[in-house]
Amino acid sequence: GAVVSQHPSRVICKSGTSVKIECRSLDFQATTMFWYRQFPKQSLMLMATSNEGSKATYEQGVEKDKFLINHASLTLSTLTVTSAHPEDSSFYICSARFGVNEQFFGPGTRLTVL
Amino acid sequence: QQQVKQSPQSLIVQKGGISIINCAYENTAFDYFPWYQQFPGKGPALLIAIRPDVSEKKEGRFTISFNKSAKQFSLHIMDSQPGDSATYFCAATVSGNTPLVFGKGTRLSVIA
Repeated sequence: GAVVSQHPSRVICKSGTSVKIECRSLDFQATTMFWYRQFPKQSLMLMATSNEGSKATYEQGVEKDKFLINHASLTLSTLTVTSAHPEDSSFYICSARFGVNEQFFGPGTRLTVL
Repeated sequence: QQQVKQSPQSLIVQKGGISIINCAYENTAFDYFPWYQQFPGKGPALLIAIRPDVSEKKEGRFTISFNKSAKQFSLHIMDSQPGDSATYFCAATVSGNTPLVFGKGTRLSVIA
C-alpha cells in the first residue's frame, strides 16, 4: 500500500506551548488528508478534512483556532496544536486519500502535555 | 444514519480458529467498505476492502462477506494466529471526498 509518514512520533511539551505535527504522503500525491484523534481503547475521531490549497473542514466540536491545519502541498499536511493543555494529550493520526476511496494512515503521534 | 455498528467489542479465539467480526450500517449510499488492523501505538493499516457489487472478497486468510440487503458486512480471519492479535475497525464511506465512518473497533486476542 501507499506510505504515509508522520513526524514526530512522540512529543512532550509544556502547557501553553504549540506543537506542530507533520503528515507526508511519501509515494503518492494526496489532495485530501484527514486528521484524527484517538483516545486509549477507543475508535478514531475525525477532527478535520484537509484539502490541498484550501481551508480545512473541521468536524463539529473541534476548535479550528486551536487545531490549525495547513495543507500547502500535495504531499504535506500539518496540524498545529496551539496553546496546548493537558487535555490535548492524545494520539493524533493522519491519513491520506489515495485514488477515489483508499485511505492510508500514518503511524501516529503521541502528544503528552505536561 | 451515518453510524457503523461493530460487534463484538472484544473477541478471544484459539490459535488456528476462525475470527469473525461483524458490522452493520444504515446509509445505503455507502459504497466502499474497508477493514483496518491496528496494533497498539501504531496507525491503522488497511487490511482489505469491498464494494457492494460483490458479496465476498478474499485475500489470503482474510475474507470480507457482504450482504447488501441486510446492510451488513463481516471480516473472517481463517487460521487465526497470535500475530493477528490487534484491534480491527470496519469503516464505510460514499465514494468521493467524504471521510470514512468507523466502527468502534474489536479487540481480538488469539491465544495459543
